[in-house]
Amino acid sequence: AQTVTQSQPEMSVQEAETVTLSCTYDTSESDYYLFWYKQPPSRQMILVIRQEAYKQQNATENRFSVNFQKAAKSFSLKISDSQLGDAAMYFCAYRSAGGGSSNTGKLIFGQGTTLQVKP
Amino acid sequence: SAVISQKPSRDICQRGTSLTIQCQVDSQVTMMFWYRQQPGQSLTLIATANQGSEATYESGFVIDKFPISRPNLTFSTLTVSNMSPEDSSIYLCSVGGRMNTEAFFGQGTRLTVV
Repeated sequence: AQTVTQSQPEMSVQEAETVTLSCTYDTSESDYYLFWYKQPPSRQMILVIRQEAYKQQNATENRFSVNFQKAAKSFSLKISDSQLGDAAMYFCAYRSAGGGSSNTGKLIFGQGTTLQVKP
Repeated sequence: SAVISQKPSRDICQRGTSLTIQCQVDSQVTMMFWYRQQPGQSLTLIATANQGSEATYESGFVIDKFPISRPNLTFSTLTVSNMSPEDSSIYLCSVGGRMNTEAFFGQGTRLTVV
């Protein structure tokens, strides 16, 4: 079974600075997706960034980028130029891909990291 | 992308009663998922709902407690039955599937059982 681990329950960053959130996962599959979701107090789950396992290039979305280390099963999120609106709970998630029966579309989530942004 | 409307957004219920949560999607989707998020915790999958077949429940969740309906490709309901305070959580509906590389979520239902 696949597992996702976020070892940082809470992180804080000064506005305009950079912060990195850690995520590790365990799987025997070779084809999968990894995601970072943001959940502000509104409860709405917002997709921040997505990484396909077969792509070696790290995904980037504006101020958000990932460091995907497939061999190490590590998937960290870097937030540059942090803004007050980035304050939220961040979840790392795993999803099977490929044509097997494990590819149902369901997500496996890490425990979450609460990010505080200080003005 | 998909737009998901989930109702109610919140409710306070008496123990021993049941609550049905509705999830409406603006497009036809193969699979719908129901997650539970206990206070301050991560999301845990309750079940996967396919149209025209019984839902598939994850370990620790049973149909008698969380019956699910999936009458068509745009709608699903989750019922939380015989509620106790331990059922106080956020319940989220999500859609995605084999051909979708990402999941979309409803706004969640915050349930408080007193």
